[in-house]
Amino acid sequence: SQQGEEDPQALSIQEGENATMNCSYKTSINNLQWYRQNSGRGLVHLILIRSNEREKHSGRLRVTLDTSKKSSSLLITASRAADTASYFCATDAGSNYQLIWGAGTKLIIKP
Amino acid sequence: NAGVTQTPKFRVLKTGQSMTLLCAQDMNHEYMYWYRQDPGMGLRLIHYSVGEGTTAKGEVPDGYNVSRLKKQNFLLGLESAAPSQTSVYFCASRPGTGKETQYFGPGTRLLVL
Repeated sequence: SQQGEEDPQALSIQEGENATMNCSYKTSINNLQWYRQNSGRGLVHLILIRSNEREKHSGRLRVTLDTSKKSSSLLITASRAADTASYFCATDAGSNYQLIWGAGTKLIIKP
Repeated sequence: NAGVTQTPKFRVLKTGQSMTLLCAQDMNHEYMYWYRQDPGMGLRLIHYSVGEGTTAKGEVPDGYNVSRLKKQNFLLGLESAAPSQTSVYFCASRPGTGKETQYFGPGTRLLVL
């Protein structure tokens, strides 16, 4: 069963705009991770935020975590065509070394 | 370093045929995972391993078997392929306890007719 649910399922914006995607989950977690998948490729780790953290930055990426609402958001600022990809959140609930994955948000950056 | 590699990249099988997917990693990672990805869905864990000689079932293990005889290799077997196993299969590895990031291979696209 999938723990994470991303919202929206798809997002299309103009290059230079900011993109925000959200992830909700159901159980308590140790950490939440965001991954990117370019079309036809494997997933690439973007950022990890632990349950005791509220916000984390990496370059143009900003991730927030609200454990009371069981939700996270990924903000990509000043989007570029190369950001076109699917973005997945994955939660680590600390059991059996597994990550539980959401269905992803498909982001399209229009030139 | 090559990272995580998968063999083959693409395969077509007939129903009932068998095959083995190979995953290799050169990062000395302890944990390895096999996932399947179907359209519109996230990754679903098939089997995983927390060390050489160990394997465990994930969310969707039926119809698959795995082996981890060497630390760097994780094999996924389909004994009798079914059309429902048409999917893209990803292997991933992770360093070990305390290092939670997973590193993915490029995927194997499998079509079962």
